[in-house]
This record gives sequence, structure tokens and C-alpha cells, in this order.
Amino acid sequence: GEDVEQSLFLSVREGDSSVINCTYTDSSSTYLYWYKQEPGAGLQLLTYIFSNMDMKQDQRLTVLLNKKDKHLSLRIADTQTGDSAIYFCAEYPKGTASKLTFGTGTRLQVTL
Amino acid sequence: EAGVAQSPRYKIIEKRQSVAFWCNPISGHATLYWYQQILGQGPKLLIQFQNNGVVDDSQLPKDRFSAERLKGVDSTLKIQPAKLEDSAVYLCASSLGLAETQYFGPGTRLLVL
Repeated sequence: GEDVEQSLFLSVREGDSSVINCTYTDSSSTYLYWYKQEPGAGLQLLTYIFSNMDMKQDQRLTVLLNKKDKHLSLRIADTQTGDSAIYFCAEYPKGTASKLTFGTGTRLQVTL
Repeated sequence: EAGVAQSPRYKIIEKRQSVAFWCNPISGHATLYWYQQILGQGPKLLIQFQNNGVVDDSQLPKDRFSAERLKGVDSTLKIQPAKLEDSAVYLCASSLGLAETQYFGPGTRLLVL
């Protein structure tokens, strides 16, 4: 199948860390992406990881990739109210004819 | 660098009417994509252009949807006639080339009554 799976909802307190998980489908995927979508807005590219990497850190964001289990996670340190949004993971299977396949999105709610 | 531009941002029409959306990709990006995002779901690819040629339109409902990118820059997506189930956000994205990182526009929110 082509389903990229994510949990639907995550609630965290401001200042805590958030971990958003994703299970992808294609072991040949070369790039895996995280996009953020705020209400009424398009998708903002947050970060991406190449399949030969295990981890990538970018300021408050840490991406972990477990290729064996086809599991991708996004950790947001010191979560702020401005981080409230829907987060989509997406995979790009190998080959120029491939399509970027998105998960259903995880809604992150940050409470005070 | 300017991002992907889309217009209009919002559109409300009645079923069986026609509607058109416009997209201007990031300068220099050869590949352009149109996605449909239904409420509560991730974006789904409708059509992909490389310059002015169609790479993939396998998910485009061709009986009512059409798209063109005549000069290899701007693109229009048309729905004629619209159905209630076409209510969604239509996202345009662009990338330097095939299988490259995609950058999205703000989307057009369509409501069909």
C-alpha cells in the first residue's frame, strides 16, 4: 500500500518537548520530509532527511530515522504556542517518476 | 526570493459552475505540481508538469478537471462543472526539478454549494 501513517493528535504543555511519529511505506525512499501547516495556510517545509542519515538536527528540531522499522520522528524542543499546527510527514520513493506521498497529518496542540 | 503565488485565496461557487485557479511558481523551478487537500487529509497529487509538459496526471479527474502550463511558468487548474465533493484546498507547489524538494503556495480554498 501507499499509506504513510501518523497519529492524529498530540497535546503538549508549553516548554515541553513534542515528538511526532510517522511510519512510511517504501524502503527505497530517498528523502523524507516534515511540513507544517498552520490554519488557513499552505504547507511550510520544516526539514528533511536523506535516507542514508540516522539523525538531523536543526535548531529546536531533531529528526530521527529508523530505516529498519521505516519509522520517522520529529522532536520539537521547548515547544511554543506558535508551534500549534498540523505536521505532515512525506516520503519520496526513489526515481524521478516518484510522487511525494503525504501522511494524514498530526495536529499538535500546545497548552499553557 | 519570492515563494509560490496562488490566486484567488478563496472561492465559493455553486455546483455545476466553473472555476479556475492560478499559480506562479518560484522563479527557475522547472517542475510544478497541483494538489488537492480535502479537510482532515494530506495533500494528494492531481497533476505534475515538467516545464510545459505533463509528467503525471493519473489522479486528475479528466472529465471535469483540466490544467495547463503553456509557457512553462504559470499554470492554471480548471474545474468544469464543479461538484460538491470538489470542496477542498487546492495547493500548488514547485521544485527545481523532478524528485527535488517541493515548496508550496498558500492554497486556494474552494467551497462548492
